[in-house]
Amino acid sequence: AQRVTQPEKLLSVFKGAPVELKCNYSYSGSPELFWYVQYSRQRLQLLLRHISRESIKGFTADLNKGETSFHLKKPFAQEEDSAMYYCALEGAQKLVFGQGTRLTINP
Amino acid sequence: KAGVTQTPRYLIKTRGQQVTLSCSPISGHRSVSWYQQTPGQGLQFLFEYFSETQRNKGNFPGRFSGRQFSNSRSEMNVSTLELGDSALYLCASSFGLAGGIADTQYFGPGTRLTVL
Repeated sequence: AQRVTQPEKLLSVFKGAPVELKCNYSYSGSPELFWYVQYSRQRLQLLLRHISRESIKGFTADLNKGETSFHLKKPFAQEEDSAMYYCALEGAQKLVFGQGTRLTINP
Repeated sequence: KAGVTQTPRYLIKTRGQQVTLSCSPISGHRSVSWYQQTPGQGLQFLFEYFSETQRNKGNFPGRFSGRQFSNSRSEMNVSTLELGDSALYLCASSFGLAGGIADTQYFGPGTRLTVL
């Protein structure tokens, strides 16, 4: 069975501080992992995917198969990063989402 | 290119009624997935259609059904509405590539259904 866990419902950091949003997964196959973001009053949108190995808006995420984790990181948080972040795992033509972490960046 | 569109954006129904929601995918996309988003359960997968065929289904009762047309537009139907069906219903479209290749899903703005 596919399962995604985001242990933090809420995360608050100061502007300029590092950010790490945790994501752990459970999947018997080879995982395809994503981070989606939902800004206030906007639709859910893809932030990054592990297969691309890219950095979007300063965010990166590394897949650690040994720890079954896909944590999202940014070295210096900005106020516009405040949003809801969802980790998702794709398998069998469906996305399984974590419960989400609401990130608030304090000025 | 135009994004995923969903109609209507807001809907109010009463218990026992039925409702049909519509989703128009991005041009060229053949896969449409539906998700239910609630504060308590988060985002949950309902079903996925590709080329008018349902390929996968989540753990929802049979009151939830869907279909896809030849132009890839999709509808989902909920019959005998219950209070607990109040939620934001999202659809997402993608190319629907097979063979284990990761395929990005693009989401619509959602339909907010309120059941009274």
